Amino acid sequence: GAVVSQHPSWVICKSGTSVKIECRSLDFQATTMFWYRQFPKQSLMLMATSNEGSKATYEQGVEKDKFLINHASLTLSTLTVTSAHPEDSSFYICSAWQGRNYGYTFGSGTRLTVV
Amino acid sequence: DQQVKQNSPSLSVQEGRISILNCDYTNSMFDYFLWYKKYPAEGPTFLISISSIKDKNEDGRFTVFLNKSAKHLSLHIVPSQPGDSAVYFCAASFFTGTASKLTFGTGTRLQVTL
Repeated sequence: GAVVSQHPSWVICKSGTSVKIECRSLDFQATTMFWYRQFPKQSLMLMATSNEGSKATYEQGVEKDKFLINHASLTLSTLTVTSAHPEDSSFYICSAWQGRNYGYTFGSGTRLTVV
Repeated sequence: DQQVKQNSPSLSVQEGRISILNCDYTNSMFDYFLWYKKYPAEGPTFLISISSIKDKNEDGRFTVFLNKSAKHLSLHIVPSQPGDSAVYFCAASFFTGTASKLTFGTGTRLQVTL
């Protein structure tokens, strides 16, 4: 089946630094990818929709200048958390949309801890 | 505004019995519903889905029921196995024309006991 590879699986960074998370579709082309964030014992909250070759669409309340999304190719989307703060510590998950017939494939997630 | 809700945060079921997980939604525009299983620090794994034109979909031990008038869906797992212990999320989407973003429920932690 389709695989979405997400790296790193976990990262610890210092407050004020930036962290990049990669999401790759390994055996299919993903024109649309989604980025979610999950706080402990809470639901997955959609942060933004990433479209290849165009600007990402951010959900209400998500700072686009803080969470930079780049979808430069059909197989790679990146999320960069800029000037990270401890409150950005969370579990970030990407998902690739394969069209209505095939649905969504999720990455394995990235645990970000900002100290 | 939580458009998709799972009112039971946890459920404990004996091995071999039926597990019933419930989900309610408020947005009548949703036309596609999915159930995912999730372990801590992992991405969700797709289980089963249902389109709004159907009221039931079955796949092995998993059956999803949709009651559109009540805006309610449920996932039945029969028989329940210890390996089913995880957090289950329902999710809903509506076709926007280019992509269908998912709205997730709050999750139900299922524990299947021996």
